[in-house]
Amino acid sequence: EAGVAQSPRYKIIEKRQSVAFWCNPISGHATLYWYQQILGQGPKLLIQFQNNGVVDDSQLPKDRFSAERLKGVDSTLKIQPAKLEDSAVYLCASSLRTSGNTIYFGEGSWLTVV
Amino acid sequence: GENVEQHPSTLSVQEGDSAVIKCTYSDSASNYFPWYKQELGKRPQLIIDIRSNVGEKKDQRIAVTLNKTAKHFSLHITETQPEDSAVYFCAASRGGNTGGFKTIFGAGTRLFVKA
Repeated sequence: EAGVAQSPRYKIIEKRQSVAFWCNPISGHATLYWYQQILGQGPKLLIQFQNNGVVDDSQLPKDRFSAERLKGVDSTLKIQPAKLEDSAVYLCASSLRTSGNTIYFGEGSWLTVV
Repeated sequence: GENVEQHPSTLSVQEGDSAVIKCTYSDSASNYFPWYKQELGKRPQLIIDIRSNVGEKKDQRIAVTLNKTAKHFSLHITETQPEDSAVYFCAASRGGNTGGFKTIFGAGTRLFVKA
């Protein structure tokens, strides 16, 4: 079974620039998550989709972060403009709706803002 | 808001010894408790989980215990091996009001197993 795919794996940008991350979940998984993992910390949920609808974006800094999942499959997370404190690993994850508690993670997109 | 506290943040053991990591959660509606292992530069991977109707679950050298009354759960690794060295995350999960599932992660425990 193919896992959660993410790209790019690594990105270095200057502050105030923009960046976009892409995610393709496990086939058939209705729920998609974007987590932010700062070095030395646990994953923090940014946004959760059920199919193409948002079910939780309470911790998404909406002034600079946006995410979409237009066709209920792939998703894109965008940061504009980036700040130094956005340096982190952005983990995409997915789960089956019927067993939605088990979350499968991608390898992550490592962002460094300089 | 809801949170999950995890202790210790760092744990160093000798190969062959046991390791115990403890977590407490605040949301009494939590009913699913997964544990993830994250090796350096890799994705977090589920290693064991337990649901609220069970007090203990074991899988080879790994076991998890749950005390719902006290709202804490623990990961036990016996006969540790160098390849157990990683960061371990606990999490507490419940059904969300809008149909999804809300999962809160602990801050992680960095386990070093010395050969």
